Amino acid sequence: NAGVTQTPKFRILKIGQSMTLQCAQDMNHNYMYWYRQDPGMGLKLIYYSVGAGITDKGEVPNGYNVSRSTTEDFPLRLELAAPSQTSVYFCASSYGGPAGTGANVLTFGAGSRLTVL
Amino acid sequence: AQKITQTQPGMFVQEKEAVTLDCTYDTSDQSYGLFWYKQPSSGEMIFLIYQGSYDEQNATEGRYSLNFQKARKSANLVISASQLGDSAMYFCAMSTSGSRLTFGEGTQLTVNP
Repeated sequence: NAGVTQTPKFRILKIGQSMTLQCAQDMNHNYMYWYRQDPGMGLKLIYYSVGAGITDKGEVPNGYNVSRSTTEDFPLRLELAAPSQTSVYFCASSYGGPAGTGANVLTFGAGSRLTVL
Repeated sequence: AQKITQTQPGMFVQEKEAVTLDCTYDTSDQSYGLFWYKQPSSGEMIFLIYQGSYDEQNATEGRYSLNFQKARKSANLVISASQLGDSAMYFCAMSTSGSRLTFGEGTQLTVNP
């Protein structure tokens, strides 16, 4: 039972390079999310998806793109990397449902540490 | 807009004692969920406990309990009988409409032997 799998775990990019962080879940969750965590800070939502073919912006979407072609996969694309994108990126998933229910408990991946130099 | 506030950047507790981590929230929604996550130094996010806004009883999970005071808009985490392995960063989070979670800035808990 893998849960949420993120790759790569670590990556160093040069300014202006692009890359894709991969995320896959095997729990048949409808909802998937990308968060970033800057050092000593909380998590901020980048993008999320409520199902295949549907994505929407979170709190800090600039500089990123996502797609959701299948229920299982939710890759995050960084275009023209900047030092401000140095962070730890977490992918998460949930069943999704009414806000007052436990259906929104997030299962997280192990995180991807990205450094932009 | 939804907001979570954790006012304690760091907390210290002696092993085997209880500790309360504070969390206040702000939302105009009537239906919402409150969550606590633990992040050890290894970095993973571990779900601890959940409370729904309509739940009348405080949630409990083993040594963790959530002290939910709706009128005060607070959702404090209580850890009983602290263990050295409880040393970690703790995040409070809230879900409202749209199933997205908003996180607080976290509290770093250190358990002293």
